[in-house]
Amino acid sequence: DAKTTQPTSMDCAEGRAANLPCNHSTISGNEYVYWYRQIHSQGPQYIIHGLKNNETNEMASLIITEDRKSSTLILPHATLRDTAVYYCIVRGNTGNQFYFGTGTSLTVIP
Amino acid sequence: DTAVSQTPKYLVTQMGNDKSIKCEQNLGHDTMYWYKQDSKKFLKIMFSYNNKELIINETVPNRFSPKSPDKAHLNLHINSLELGDSAVYFCASSQGFSRHSGNTIYFGEGSWLTVV
Repeated sequence: DAKTTQPTSMDCAEGRAANLPCNHSTISGNEYVYWYRQIHSQGPQYIIHGLKNNETNEMASLIITEDRKSSTLILPHATLRDTAVYYCIVRGNTGNQFYFGTGTSLTVIP
Repeated sequence: DTAVSQTPKYLVTQMGNDKSIKCEQNLGHDTMYWYKQDSKKFLKIMFSYNNKELIINETVPNRFSPKSPDKAHLNLHINSLELGDSAVYFCASSQGFSRHSGNTIYFGEGSWLTVV
């Protein structure tokens, strides 16, 4: 299974863009990159996913490098409510398995 | 309406007891899961069911027995509870069972199990 590597923690000023990096150098050609976040005491919340192209939705943008070995989640205007642990995930190779690693603890500072 | 709901949210029980956590999804999905989040916050898959059939069993002790009466429900029964079973258990669902499809998994709010 493709593994992901993320920084343990990051800070971001409120109103600024939060850029969360993720390395997935062993990703295979057909594996998707997913981003979830978990706010304290809640279930993981889906943010965005992509295969090759950059993606954008109402929550965030996902930038995937051309070689697909890394990606960046962008929260364009971080708010205090975006403080959470953000997980970068690559699909498991035995079906619908999502392997969550340690994630990045993002703190948005007023 | 809650998409994936699980009960109870909090459960405190003694070692050796048997307990169940129920999960229901109203998204019309055909695949459901149980995940365990331990004290280190790692989220690990336990089971996956597709159309009521067990697909994935990730080396979980056989004291854990999932049961799927229909596609919308996946309950988790735990026998002879041990201290190490204390964790947060998340139910989830998705549509389809495909390694490479871009289907999204939706999680419930979690069930906090404490074994004393």
